[in-house]
Amino acid sequence: AQTVTQSQPEMSVQEAETVTLSCTYDTSESDYYLFWYKQPPSRQMILVIRQEAYKQQNATENRFSVNFQKAAKSFSLKISDSQLGDAAMYFCAYRRYPNAGKSTFGDGTTLTVKP
Amino acid sequence: DGGITQSPKYLFRKEGQNVTLSCEQNLNHDAMYWYRQDPGQGLRLIYYSQIVNDFQKGDIAEGYSVSREKKESFPLTVTSAQKNPTAFYLCASSRDRHLSYEQYFGPGTRLTVT
Repeated sequence: AQTVTQSQPEMSVQEAETVTLSCTYDTSESDYYLFWYKQPPSRQMILVIRQEAYKQQNATENRFSVNFQKAAKSFSLKISDSQLGDAAMYFCAYRRYPNAGKSTFGDGTTLTVKP
Repeated sequence: DGGITQSPKYLFRKEGQNVTLSCEQNLNHDAMYWYRQDPGQGLRLIYYSQIVNDFQKGDIAEGYSVSREKKESFPLTVTSAQKNPTAFYLCASSRDRHLSYEQYFGPGTRLTVT
């Protein structure tokens, strides 16, 4: 069974600084997708970024980028130029490909942004 | 606007009563999911459905039931058999049951049972 581990329950960052959130996963599959979701205080889950395992290039979305290390089964999220609106709980998630079925989520990292 | 709606946002029930949480999507997505989230914790999968008239148990299905009679709708019933029903419930959908597209989430329903 796949597992997703987020080893940092809480992180904090100064506004405008950079922070990296860690995620490791365990799978025997070779093809899969990885995701980072953001859950702000409103509790609405929002997709931040997606990475296909077959792609060597790390995904980027504006201030958000990932460091995907397939051999190490690591998928960290880097937030650059942190903003107050980035404060939220961040979840790492895994889906196999194809026949995705269910996703596996980590337990989340709560990010605090200090002004 | 396309999206997922969950109603109501807050729901209160007495212990021993069954309660049904609504989830509707107009995204034409094949797959739908129900998750439970307890304070400060991650998401745990209750049930999921990859196609109409079919659904599978997730990791914590005991005390819950679902139906998928229409593509757009995936209601969740929390039965009196669920020992600790008070939680935040999230519904999600994804485009294709074969491919690993991201999930889109509804705004959630906070259920309180006293």
